[in-house]
Amino acid sequence: DAGVIQSPRHEVTEMGQEVTLRCKPISGHNSLFWYRQTMMRGLELLIYFNNNVPIDDSGMPEDRFSAKMPNASFSTLKIQPSEPRDSAVYFCASSLAGPYSNQPQHFGDGTRLSIL
Amino acid sequence: TQLLEQSPQFLSIQEGENLTVYCNSSSVFSSLQWYRQEPGEGPVLLVTVVTGGEVKKLKRLTFQFGDARKDSSLHITAAQPGDTGLYLCAGGGGDMRFGAGTRLTVKP
Repeated sequence: DAGVIQSPRHEVTEMGQEVTLRCKPISGHNSLFWYRQTMMRGLELLIYFNNNVPIDDSGMPEDRFSAKMPNASFSTLKIQPSEPRDSAVYFCASSLAGPYSNQPQHFGDGTRLSIL
Repeated sequence: TQLLEQSPQFLSIQEGENLTVYCNSSSVFSSLQWYRQEPGEGPVLLVTVVTGGEVKKLKRLTFQFGDARKDSSLHITAAQPGDTGLYLCAGGGGDMRFGAGTRLTVKP
């Protein structure tokens, strides 16, 4: 079975540019999570969706960040305009239930984002 | 936000040694999960513990959930180079967050 698929795997762009990260969750999973990982701050939850609806976006750093889930099989995380401090590895994960359950989260391999 | 503190932050040992890493919080969790992350990949679930005092074994890995469900430990017996990675704990049952992780290096 296919796992969580993220694209691109690597993105290098100049500050001020728009960046769009994409995620395809595991089929049948109804929760989707976006995380950011850095050495300094570890793995931070940015936003999660349940049944395509954003439930908690309190981790989104600021208005430059936005996330959408137009259907059960696709989600995007957009940064506009991007800044060097946004450089990190961004992970998408999906689960059979939200973070309040015991269900495991299945992670993609991440997008390594570098903003110059 | 329920904070999870993991210790030690870094651990470097020789192959064959035993080790224990810890995950602590002041909050009670309905469950706690341990993940391992290897370079260039996302975290992968190792185990979920649910009951206070529960012990689960996964080959050479032993996981324990504290009686009060506020802490957990992971013990590895006879560590191997393949155990190298970042070990993360995550608390469920509330505003789920991951700990910062323990970065383990096992030298051959």
